[in-house]
Amino acid sequence: EAQVTQNPRYLITVTGKKLTVTCSQNMNHEYMSWYRQDPGLGLRQIYYSMNVEVTDKGDVPEGYKVSRKEKRNFPLILESPSPNQTSLYFCASSLLSGSWNEQFFGPGTRLTVL
Amino acid sequence: DQQVKQNSPSLSVQEGRISILNCDYTNSMFDYFLWYKKYPAEGPTFLISISSIKDKNEDGRFTVFLNKSAKHLSLHIVPSQPGDSAVYFCAASYTGNQFYFGTGTSLTVIP
Repeated sequence: EAQVTQNPRYLITVTGKKLTVTCSQNMNHEYMSWYRQDPGLGLRQIYYSMNVEVTDKGDVPEGYKVSRKEKRNFPLILESPSPNQTSLYFCASSLLSGSWNEQFFGPGTRLTVL
Repeated sequence: DQQVKQNSPSLSVQEGRISILNCDYTNSMFDYFLWYKKYPAEGPTFLISISSIKDKNEDGRFTVFLNKSAKHLSLHIVPSQPGDSAVYFCAASYTGNQFYFGTGTSLTVIP
């Protein structure tokens, strides 16, 4: 089944404890992206990747890192999480970069930072 | 600053009637607009899109209208069905890589 998977789905952690949220897609997509969803703010783009080893900042990159060493994986790294990073996170992928390419989203990761 | 705005947090419509969801944007460089639908505990799914060179795009029960002079787009669902009850996000892009989403409108279709 074609899909985007994220792990973990739920995570409660404490301030400053490094964590990684994994994202993997099995559709051979070139483009991948991370978003966070917050009440009253909608979805905001954190980082995106047009291809392996090519990443760039989205609208809200502060406090996050990403890497794209393989085409299928695009992990989101929080080196020192803070409570304001408590949010619902979505990974997405599309066949190519370009506005006309629909993005396929993962099921989301709900992160709570205490 | 929110470049894409959905000013109606929620909308209720009777089954069989038309649902109209609205979206406004501020950046005149946006050249592509998309609508996504989201059910609880799931990721958004793509619904329909429109290029800035068009003013209308239709796909079955869903039609998106774009008014560039007003920087406004709308999604029409006709007829509305209970399964359409979800949160709808509009999104816009001009680089093809960066996407700006609205805050979402929660649609409830009443049977």
